[in-house]
Formats: sequence, C-alpha cells, structure tokens
Amino acid sequence: KQEVTQIPAALSVPEGENLVLNCSFTDSAIYNLQWFRQDPGKGLTSLLLIQSSQREQTSGRLNASLDKSSGRSTLYIAASQPGDSATYLCAVGGRDYKLSFGAGTTVTVRA
Amino acid sequence: EADIYQTPRYLVIGTGKKITLECSQTMGHDKMYWYQQDPGMELHLIHYSYGVNSTEKGDLSSESTVSRIRTEHFPLTLESARPSHTSQYLCASSPGYGYTFGSGTRLTVV
Repeated sequence: KQEVTQIPAALSVPEGENLVLNCSFTDSAIYNLQWFRQDPGKGLTSLLLIQSSQREQTSGRLNASLDKSSGRSTLYIAASQPGDSATYLCAVGGRDYKLSFGAGTTVTVRA
Repeated sequence: EADIYQTPRYLVIGTGKKITLECSQTMGHDKMYWYQQDPGMELHLIHYSYGVNSTEKGDLSSESTVSRIRTEHFPLTLESARPSHTSQYLCASSPGYGYTFGSGTRLTVV
C-alpha cells in the first residue's frame, strides 16, 4: 500500500521568504504526482500535476520537482505572500487512477 | 469557476436520519470519487466510479452507498446517520489523471 509522508507538518515564515515543502512516497511505481492547496474548511485546488516521465513542472511562483527513483517530490513557492497561507497536499497516482494523499503541510506566511 | 458542484455546503442533521450528499460535474469526466476528511487529517477514499453503472468501495470502509446513473451525477447516501459520520465529504472527478475537487460538504450529526 502506498504511503505518502509530508514534512514538515506545519511551517511559519515571514513574507518574502521562499517556501520548500517536501513529500515522500514508499512505492516508486507511480503514474503521476499532484500538488493541491486547501484553504480551511474548503475543497482542494489543483496546483501542479507532474507525470511520472517528468522531472519538474512550473506555474508562476510555483515549481514542483519529482525524483521517482528516490520517492520524493518538492514544492517550491518563491517570494511567499500572506495569501499563500493554506494547507498544501501531495498526492500520488497509480495505474488505477486512484490518488493516495499525504496529511499535508500547513503554511502560515506572516506579513 | 468550479465545474464540480457539491450540495449542501453544510448540513447538521439528527441521528437516524437518511441523507444524500449531491455531487455533479459538467466536464464529462468518466471517473468520479468520494473522499472523507476529518479535521487536520488526510483524505481517505471511500467510493469511486469509472463510469455509468460502475461503483466500487474505496480504501476506507464506509457505511455510505453511492450510485452512478448519469455520467455527471454521483450522489452519496447515508441510510441512518450517526455521530461517527460527522466529517467533511469531498467529491472529485477526473478524465484519467488530474483531479478536480468540489468545495466539499461538512456534515455534522447530532
């Protein structure tokens, strides 16, 4: 069974600092990895989807890398803003299209 | 501009009542999912469907049931709600990989 771990569980940074969020997974036979953002009490917003053949994916201030062989992904958020405060979830997809989720990293960006 | 809709957004209901949580998507995705999430905890898959008249139970055992009579509609039903069913229920759809989530239904059973 795929196990997904996100470290740290919580992170507080001053505005302007770069954020580094880590995700690890136990089974490297993944088809893709997806990063989501979740605001309190809300649903999930997709940020980036990385196919297993890709090494990284970028969107604006966000960059996600994938090292399938070592079972790791990292989400970088450049020049953080208070609006970036949220919980960030990592999810890995297998051949059956189902996603396995980590517990998330809760980020607070202080103004 | 969500293309997947969940209703109601919040629901407080008494023990023993039957409830149906609605989920509809307008993207024509053949795959749909229900996840359960307790506060501060990870999401757990409770039901999924890969097409009309196809439903399967997920990794987390649930007393709820689902149906998929139309591609765009994937309702979840609890025949007799209990306090242990209090949680957030999230619906998602995908064309294959790449999920889109609804805003969720926060259910409280008193």
